[in-house]
Amino acid sequence: DQQVKQNSPSLSVQEGRISILNCDYTNSMFDYFLWYKKYPAEGPTFLISISSIKDKNEDGRFTVFLNKSAKHLSLHIVPSQPGDSAVYFCAASAPTQGGSEKLVFGKGTKLTVNP
Amino acid sequence: NAGVTQTPKFRILKIGQSMTLQCTQDMNHNYMYWYRQDPGMGLKLIYYSVGAGITDKGEVPNGYNVSRSTTEDFPLRLELAAPSQTSVYFCASTGRNTIYFGEGSWLTVV
Repeated sequence: DQQVKQNSPSLSVQEGRISILNCDYTNSMFDYFLWYKKYPAEGPTFLISISSIKDKNEDGRFTVFLNKSAKHLSLHIVPSQPGDSAVYFCAASAPTQGGSEKLVFGKGTKLTVNP
Repeated sequence: NAGVTQTPKFRILKIGQSMTLQCTQDMNHNYMYWYRQDPGMGLKLIYYSVGAGITDKGEVPNGYNVSRSTTEDFPLRLELAAPSQTSVYFCASTGRNTIYFGEGSWLTVV
């Protein structure tokens, strides 16, 4: 059972336009959500996060929106740049015994920003 | 600041061989993780540790073992390598509201 779903395996946008990456989750216990990006042959790098007590978090060109009732979050990149071309992973965490953060990842969306 | 360092970056194993993937972090994080990523799939948790001396299974622990004798080190051991363990392995540690990944170890079992 996939608890975190990224239904679009790929997305292509023009430079300067908005990129919108979507993520759905099923576990209502998730209370923290993160987006990562991954370039080929490199480890994932943290991009932006949001707590379940918020519905929006912004960091420069990146904004994450959370809709708890729909169990949906999205990442907006405005304006998109060719260097943003990467695979973007959505991840969610729920409190666990011992207080650790066990992240559950989506399968990723490959974003291509065309010059 | 080195962050999370894992070795080796690439390795080819024969079926039945054993090996250890090394992972070390210099951020004094208590929580450390091992993930694997198969083609077209997201990251799946193999094992995690909440501190020195404490480890626990993740989603896909079969065929692997871990130990956490120090805060810095969290090695992952494959005792009898199988083709199903061909994957990319990522070690990670958790800081405040984020997680830091190593650069990955590409393992092929033939």
